Amino acid sequence: DQQVKQNSPSLSVQEGRISILNCDYTNSMFDYFLWYKKYPAEGPTFLISISSIKDKNEDGRFTVFLNKSAKHLSLHIVPSQPGDSAVYFCAASAYGGATNKLIFGTGTLLAVQP
Amino acid sequence: DTEVTQTPKHLVMGMTNKKSLKCEQHMGHRAMYWYKQKAKKPPELMFVYSYEKLSINESVPSRFSPECPNSSLLNLHLHALQPEDSALYLCASSPGLAGRQNSYEQYFGPGTRLTVT
Repeated sequence: DQQVKQNSPSLSVQEGRISILNCDYTNSMFDYFLWYKKYPAEGPTFLISISSIKDKNEDGRFTVFLNKSAKHLSLHIVPSQPGDSAVYFCAASAYGGATNKLIFGTGTLLAVQP
Repeated sequence: DTEVTQTPKHLVMGMTNKKSLKCEQHMGHRAMYWYKQKAKKPPELMFVYSYEKLSINESVPSRFSPECPNSSLLNLHLHALQPEDSALYLCASSPGLAGRQNSYEQYFGPGTRLTVT
């Protein structure tokens, strides 16, 4: 049972435009959400996160939006740059104390065309 | 410094070999994790250590044996692996402070690419 889903396996965007990556989840116990970026043969790099008590978090070119009623979050990248080309994973967690299991989505491959 | 290091970068081993993967972090994090990632799939959690004690084992076969010698080091001992165990093995760490929002944020190493022949 896939609790975190990224329904778009790939996305292609022109440099300078907005990239929007989407993620849906099913478990209402999730209270923290994260986005990771992954290049081939490297570990995932933490990008940005959001707590369930917020609906938006912004960090430079990256903004994450959370719609709890729809169990949906999205990552906006503006403006997109060729170096942003990578696989993006969303991840969700339910509070478990000092350690928290992250449940990852299946990933979206973003290609930013120069 | 948000660096997690892993050695070796690549490992090829036979099904009768014994080998170990190593992970190190110097961020003062108290929680450390092992993940397995197959091609075109998301990372799957294997083990979690909290304050050097094993807190989560995701029903991983006993041919994988984790060890946390101290708060900065995490090992994964491998014995009698199968070809289907070939994957990218990722180590991660997080602050591990209960009640702190950033305890959710896990920082990953570059991984060890394991091939079992």
